[in-house]
Order: sequence, then C-alpha cells, then structure tokens
Amino acid sequence: GAVVSQHPSWVICKSGTSVKIECRSLDFQATTMFWYRQFPKQSLMLMATSNEGSKATYEQGVEKDKFLINHASLTLSTLTVTSAHPEDSSFYICSARDMAEAFFGQGTRLTVV
Amino acid sequence: QKEVEQDPGPLSVPEGAIVSLNCTYSNSAFQYFMWYRQYSRKGPELLMYTYSSGNKEDGRFTAQVDKSSKYISLFIRDSQPSDSATYLCASHKETSGSRLTFGEGTQLTVNP
Repeated sequence: GAVVSQHPSWVICKSGTSVKIECRSLDFQATTMFWYRQFPKQSLMLMATSNEGSKATYEQGVEKDKFLINHASLTLSTLTVTSAHPEDSSFYICSARDMAEAFFGQGTRLTVV
Repeated sequence: QKEVEQDPGPLSVPEGAIVSLNCTYSNSAFQYFMWYRQYSRKGPELLMYTYSSGNKEDGRFTAQVDKSSKYISLFIRDSQPSDSATYLCASHKETSGSRLTFGEGTQLTVNP
C-alpha cells in the first residue's frame, strides 16, 4: 500500500512553545490530508481536513489559531501546535487518501511539560 | 446515534481461535469500508478495504460487508499473539476527499 510518513514520532516541548508536525505522502499525491488526535484507549478524533492550496477545514471545537495547518504541496501537510499547553499533550496522526483508500502516518506523541 | 458503531471490547481469545469483529453503520451514503489495525502508540495500518457487499479474503483475514443490513465484519482465522491490537472499522462516502468515519475500535488480546 501507499506510504505516509509523519515526523517526528515523538516530541517533548515546554509550555508556551510551538511544535510543528510534518506529514508526507511518499509515493502518491494527496490533495486532501486529514489530521487526527487520539487520547488513550479512544478512537481517532478528526481535527481538520487539509486541502492543498487552500485553507483547512476545522471540525467543531478545534481552535484554528492554535492548530495551524498548512498544505503547501501535494505531498506535504504540516500541523503546528502553537503556544502549547500540557492539555495539548496527545497522540496526533495524519492521514492521506490514495484514490479511495486512506493511509495513516506513524503518529506523533506530543508531551508538553 | 453514532454513524459507525463498534463494540470496544476488550476481547480476549486463546491462540488459534477464530476472531469475529463487527461494526454497524447508519449512513446509507457510505460506500467504502475499511478495517485498520492499530498497535499501541502507532498509527493505524490498513488491513482490508472493500467496496461492495460480500466477502474479501486476504490470508487469515476476511472482511464481510452486508449493505442491506449495514453490517461489516472482520474475521481472523488462526489468531496469533501478534494479532493483539486495536481494530478499527471505518467508512466513507464515494465523493473524493470525503473523510473517514471510525468506529470506537475493539481491543483484541490473543493469549498464547
């Protein structure tokens, strides 16, 4: 299947700093990518849909100014957690569609201290 | 009502058992159905992808879709300890770029 690469796989940052997470589709072009957040023992919660060349579409309750999404090319989307706080600590996962199938990155475990 | 319902388990079986995982969905617009396996602290891995009603087999895994009853299943034959993971069912509509709707995930443990 297609490969989606997410980086970094884990990151620890101080409160108040910003963290950028990258999501790349390695062997296909993705006009749409998705960003999820997952809490322990829970399913994936869609945060936003990232569209190449246009603004991201955020789900209700997700602060767009806090979770900045940029999809500058057909193979790269980035999620920046701005002014991170301990409650932002979570597992963040990106996904990209290759035709009808959706593939996921390895996930990024963010810990804000 | 959630659009995709899945029993979260946990489900514990002995090695070699046949495992049956099930989901129901309510949105008739869903056309594509997927099963993902997620190990702890990892991203979901696509196991099976189906479009039409019927069965699809891949090794020890069989995905079954019944659109008339809006029921999707994943069967694992000769289960192995390495199958221990959380299994997520997901569906989406036919429109390109449409997002996945996930079930809650079922946590499976296969005991040696």
